[in-house]
Amino acid sequence: DAGVIQSPRHEVTEMGQEVTLRCKPISGHDYLFWYRQTMMRGLELLIYFNNNVPIDDSGMPEDRFSAKMPNASFSTLKIQPSEPRDSAVYFCASRGGPGELFFGEGSRLTVL
Amino acid sequence: DQQVKQNSPSLSVQEGRISILNCDYTNSMFDYFLWYKKYPAEGPTFLISISSIKDKNEDGRFTVFLNKSAKHLSLHIVPSQPGDSAVYFCAASGIWDDKIIFGKGTRLHILP
Repeated sequence: DAGVIQSPRHEVTEMGQEVTLRCKPISGHDYLFWYRQTMMRGLELLIYFNNNVPIDDSGMPEDRFSAKMPNASFSTLKIQPSEPRDSAVYFCASRGGPGELFFGEGSRLTVL
Repeated sequence: DQQVKQNSPSLSVQEGRISILNCDYTNSMFDYFLWYKKYPAEGPTFLISISSIKDKNEDGRFTVFLNKSAKHLSLHIVPSQPGDSAVYFCAASGIWDDKIIFGKGTRLHILP
């Protein structure tokens, strides 16, 4: 059974470019979360969806960040324009109900 | 402001001894607590959890203790093994929403 799948695993881009990170949750899971990991802030919740609907985006740092979930099997996190301070590892996680999250392997973003 | 705090960025423990990782939280509405383990270049994986109606939960070498009055929980690993070297994240969620809030993590080194 496939876990949460994220792409790309690594992204290096230049400041000002658009970045799109992708996530495929575990089939049947109706919650999807996007987290960002940095040394300073640890694992920060950016946004989460329930049944494809964004429930809480209060963790999204700025208007440059946006997330969508057009269907139950796909979500994107977009940064436009990207800045060096956006460099981090971005994790997607899904959950079938109360209880633990299942994380993907992460997308490491480097903005030069 | 961090609602879930892991004040020790790192911890070194001799193989075979007990590892104790600590976590404090500020929100008394949290009612479910989790520990995750993370290896480099991988996503966090669920380790153990505890509900606020309990004060202890044990799973093999791992035991989580919850002290609600002190808003404190701890993870005990006995005996510590080399494969336990990883970053450990404490996390909490509340009855009022579905968010899971993580601490900054503690890096555990098991020394031979």
